[in-house]
Order: sequence, then C-alpha cells, then structure tokens
Amino acid sequence: GNSVTQMEGPVTLSEEAFLTINCTYTATGYPSLFWYVQYPGEGLQLLLKATKADDKGSNKGFEATYRKETTSFHLEKGSVQVSDSAVYFCALSGLVNQGGKLIFGQGTELSVKP
Amino acid sequence: DGGITQSPKYLFRKEGQNVTLSCEQNLNHDAMYWYRQDPGQGLRLIYYSQIVNDFQKGDIAEGYSVSREKKESFPLTVTSAQKNPTAFYLCASIVEGDTEAFFGQGTRLTVV
Repeated sequence: GNSVTQMEGPVTLSEEAFLTINCTYTATGYPSLFWYVQYPGEGLQLLLKATKADDKGSNKGFEATYRKETTSFHLEKGSVQVSDSAVYFCALSGLVNQGGKLIFGQGTELSVKP
Repeated sequence: DGGITQSPKYLFRKEGQNVTLSCEQNLNHDAMYWYRQDPGQGLRLIYYSQIVNDFQKGDIAEGYSVSREKKESFPLTVTSAQKNPTAFYLCASIVEGDTEAFFGQGTRLTVV
C-alpha cells in the first residue's frame, strides 16, 4: 500500500547547524510530496511541496527534492534557528482514486538549542 | 481572511458522552477531511467528504460520525463507542483539482 516513512526523532541541533530529515515513500502512481510543519499546540502549515520528479520545493531556507529513483523527499536546511523548533511531517497525496487524501509519516520533532 | 476554523480549542468529555467538534471553512473548498493525531504518531484519517451530502470512511472511522450538509461545514461527532478518544483532532480542506491541504488549528479532546 501507499506509505511514508521518515526518520525518528527527536532531533536536537545547535543553532546554525545543518539539518537533514529523511523521508521515503511507497506509492503506486505519481504522488505529490509535501513537508508540513507543526508548532506546539497548533495545526499543520504547509512548508513546501513538489508535484513531479526532480522538482525542488523551497521555503524559508528549507528545501527538498523529489527523487523518483530513490523514492525520497529529504528535508534540508543549511542553518537552523531556534524558531525552527517544531514537528515536521512528510506526506504524499494526489494519487488516483484516493479522494485527495494525505498520507503522513509519523513526524520528526526538531529541537534547536541556542 | 479565508481559512479553516475549528472549535472548541479544548474539549472535555465524560465517559459515555457524545461530543461534536466543529469545522468551518470559507475557502470555498470542495473536499474536507478529519484527522486524528496521537503523540509520536502521524496523522490518521477518520472521515473525508469530497462533495456536499457525501462522505467516506477513512482508516479509523469506528466510533466517529460526520455530516456534510453545507459546503462550508464538516462537523465530527465522537461517540461513546470510541473507546480511546483522547487525542488532537485536525480538520483540513482542499480545493478540487489541487493537492495542497489547509488545516485548522485543531481541537484537543480529553476524556475525564
């Protein structure tokens, strides 16, 4: 079936460190891929997305590239800030006959220390 | 401003009670979704609706019910049949033909 797997957290980094959160997916067809961010006590916000192979999504210094050959969509940021502390979810959608449903990974908690 | 409004933000339920979580959107989106979030887990789909007066079960529909009488509204009822309802509930919507979902701020339900 369709699924998303992302690296387990929590991930703890110092400010200005490099961030990578791994995400791989299994899907029949050609999904759209997303990273959502959730700050404490809030809903999810779209961070970035990519709709086809080799697309790069980017926003607020974060980026991720849709790699069809490795079925991956790893999230990266060159220099994290304390304000980036949140839970990050990788997700896919856009599959045929799936009603627009999002399928989520389990989330990765990021904690950035000053 | 357009968006999705969930209410209440916090909700307490006694054993054996039914409670209803509200979700309203003014984005003119066609499809609406309810997800449940538990600590350390991803979001799991409860119910979704692609058009008014129609809805489908998601992966964990047991103990929940929904209605979609208006395009703007998709309330979720947590019934007494749901044995472990304590969780964070998120409502989302998508415009037809797109894949990007917009989320509400969530309702935290606690059984007391």
